Amino acid sequence: QQQLQESGPGLVEPSETLSLTCTVSGGSIRSYSYYWAWIRQPPGKGLEWIGSIYYGGTTYSNPSLKSRVTISVDASKNQFSLKLSSVTAADTAVYYCARHPYSSDWGWFDPWGQGTLVTVSS
Amino acid sequence: DIQMTQSPSSLSASVGDRVTITCRASQSINNFLNWYQQKPGTAPKLLIYASSSLQSGVPSRFSGSGSGTHFTLTVSSLQPEDFATYYCQQSYNTPPTFGQGTRVEIK
Repeated sequence: QQQLQESGPGLVEPSETLSLTCTVSGGSIRSYSYYWAWIRQPPGKGLEWIGSIYYGGTTYSNPSLKSRVTISVDASKNQFSLKLSSVTAADTAVYYCARHPYSSDWGWFDPWGQGTLVTVSS
Repeated sequence: DIQMTQSPSSLSASVGDRVTITCRASQSINNFLNWYQQKPGTAPKLLIYASSSLQSGVPSRFSGSGSGTHFTLTVSSLQPEDFATYYCQQSYNTPPTFGQGTRVEIK
């Protein structure tokens, strides 16, 4: 059973770039059967899909964030990463990584990482 | 974006109760609807995918139904470990979007 684990700084200054990594264990990220996704949840609020990457290199991002989001894969480390630029306090959230199936629709997110809280503050 | 609206936003129920949560989509999404359970401080857990398919390992007291714009999640007999927040998610088009959540509390 694959497991995912987020890592990265818990505090980012306003206007800087948030950088997180998700490490996949229990299976290879080199799969054409799955997308790898980032999802976030502001404290006490709901869930927002940030974007996804396919091993073949194709990336998709939420239009609401698209110009600030970069998602990449490092297959040699079995990791994928998120960079979110020009952050503000509104980007404070728990950030989750997750897997979803490559299919005709976006599919379902499973499994998820445990999540990591990123606070944007000076 | 497709808007997902859950009702109620919260409910109080007792152990053993039958509980139903509704999720409505702002346009037809066929059966591309998934349900998650989230407990405080933990990641969401997939319960139901494709409207009515039970995820492996999820108790059979959970069930889902619906198509088009109207969907339901039912817990046939609420157990103590079921007190949590539940989210629906459409996977029909970009961006995949979630409902605002339904909090199930102990009466």
